[in-house]
Amino acid sequence: SAVISQKPSRDICQRGTSLTIQCQVDSQVTMMFWYRQQPGQSLTLIATANQGSEATYESGFVIDKFPISRPNLTFSTLTVSNMSPEDSSIYLCSVGGGGTDTQYFGPGTRLTVL
Amino acid sequence: QKEVEQDPGPLSVPEGAIVSLNCTYSNSAFQYFMWYRQYSRKGPELLMYTYSSGNKEDGRFTAQVDKSSKYISLFIRDSQPSDSATYLCAMAHNDYKLSFGAGTTVTVRA
Repeated sequence: SAVISQKPSRDICQRGTSLTIQCQVDSQVTMMFWYRQQPGQSLTLIATANQGSEATYESGFVIDKFPISRPNLTFSTLTVSNMSPEDSSIYLCSVGGGGTDTQYFGPGTRLTVL
Repeated sequence: QKEVEQDPGPLSVPEGAIVSLNCTYSNSAFQYFMWYRQYSRKGPELLMYTYSSGNKEDGRFTAQVDKSSKYISLFIRDSQPSDSATYLCAMAHNDYKLSFGAGTTVTVRA
C-alpha cells in the first residue's frame, strides 16, 4: 500500500480565511480523493482529483469553496476557502489501490475554525 | 434512507470475546466491500476487502458478505485491547467512489 502524508496535521483558523492542505504520496497514483469527516460522522467524499484534468466534485461541494490542484501523480492540494465554523472537520486524502476499488488514506488534517 | 446503514454503537466487550459488526445497504449495484479500522486521531486503515458473497478470513478477522440480503459483517475473534477503534464499512461499484457507514466504536476491556 502507498504511504501518504498530509500537511498540516492540524490547524486552528479564523473565520473568513483560507487553508490549503497538502497530500503527498510515495508512489505515482492515478486517482486521488478528498474526504471530509465531521465530528462523530462518517466520511463524505468531497471530490476526485485526477492529474491533468479538473477535479470532479460531489453533490453539495463546489470548486469555489474547495479548490483542488493535482499538479503531478504524487501530490494534491485541497483549499478550504472563506472558512466558517461549520467547516471544522477532519480532511482526509486517499489514493486508489491500483486496479481495485480499495483506497488508502492519509492521516488527516484536523481543522478548527473559530 | 442512507445508502449504507451501520449501528454506531458504542460496543464494549471483554478481552477475548468475539466482536460482531454489521452493515446493511440499499444499492444493489455495490460490488466491492471493505472494512476500515480507524484509531483515534488517525486516518482509516484498510482491514478487509472482498467482492463476492461468502466469507473471507485474515487472521483473527472474518468478513462476510450476503449480497442477496444486502448485508455485510466483520467478526473479530479473540479480541484484544489493541482492537479498540472505530470500524467503518465501505462499499463501491465500478466508479471508485466509496460509500461509508457511520462507523461503530469498539472498546475491548482488558
